[in-house]
Amino acid sequence: TQLLEQSPQFLSIQEGENLTVYCNSSSVFSSLQWYRQEPGEGPVLLVTVVTGGEVKKLKRLTFQFGDARKDSSLHITAAQPGDTGLYLCAGGQGGSEKLVFGKGTKLTVNP
Amino acid sequence: ETGVTQSPTHLIKTRGQQVTLRCSSQSGHNTVSWYQQALGQGPQFIFQYYREEENGRGNFPPRFSGLQFPNYSSELNVNALELDDSALYLCASSYSRPSSYNEQFFGPGTRLTVL
Repeated sequence: TQLLEQSPQFLSIQEGENLTVYCNSSSVFSSLQWYRQEPGEGPVLLVTVVTGGEVKKLKRLTFQFGDARKDSSLHITAAQPGDTGLYLCAGGQGGSEKLVFGKGTKLTVNP
Repeated sequence: ETGVTQSPTHLIKTRGQQVTLRCSSQSGHNTVSWYQQALGQGPQFIFQYYREEENGRGNFPPRFSGLQFPNYSSELNVNALELDDSALYLCASSYSRPSSYNEQFFGPGTRLTVL
């Protein structure tokens, strides 16, 4: 069974602080996606990484895929209250769109 | 262009009943996936349909079944409901041959409560 472990499970920080969320697995994935989900809504895709060692930046968010394609991290610089939400990582394999999701990191950014 | 829509928004059923959840995929999308998200958990893959054919299934019992229609909308049916079926059911669509690289667009979900 493929599992994605996310840490930390909960994170509460002050506006302006930096943070990193981790996503780890013993399995290799062909792609790794990060989503943000707000209460009452479905997940919204933030980024897809597919190459080992790949780094992608989206404004204040930096995503990295591990060299062995088993782990990933999401770093947020100068967090803002609008960043509050549930951050989910999801691994994909090959010719299927079946995604294996982690349990998520619930981030709260206090003003 | 409308996004992925799901109906109903909320539903309350009792144990042993049957339920049908509906999903309208985004315009032009031909692949639909269904996920179950229990409280405090990440979504779990139930199954996927591509051009009206099932294209993969997760670890869910046969009482979870689905359909995709010629207009690519989809249904999820659950028979003999159990308390553990209480969850948010998410539908996601994409627009090409299934691939782990495709962006999937999620609907807002149907919150099912089984009493």
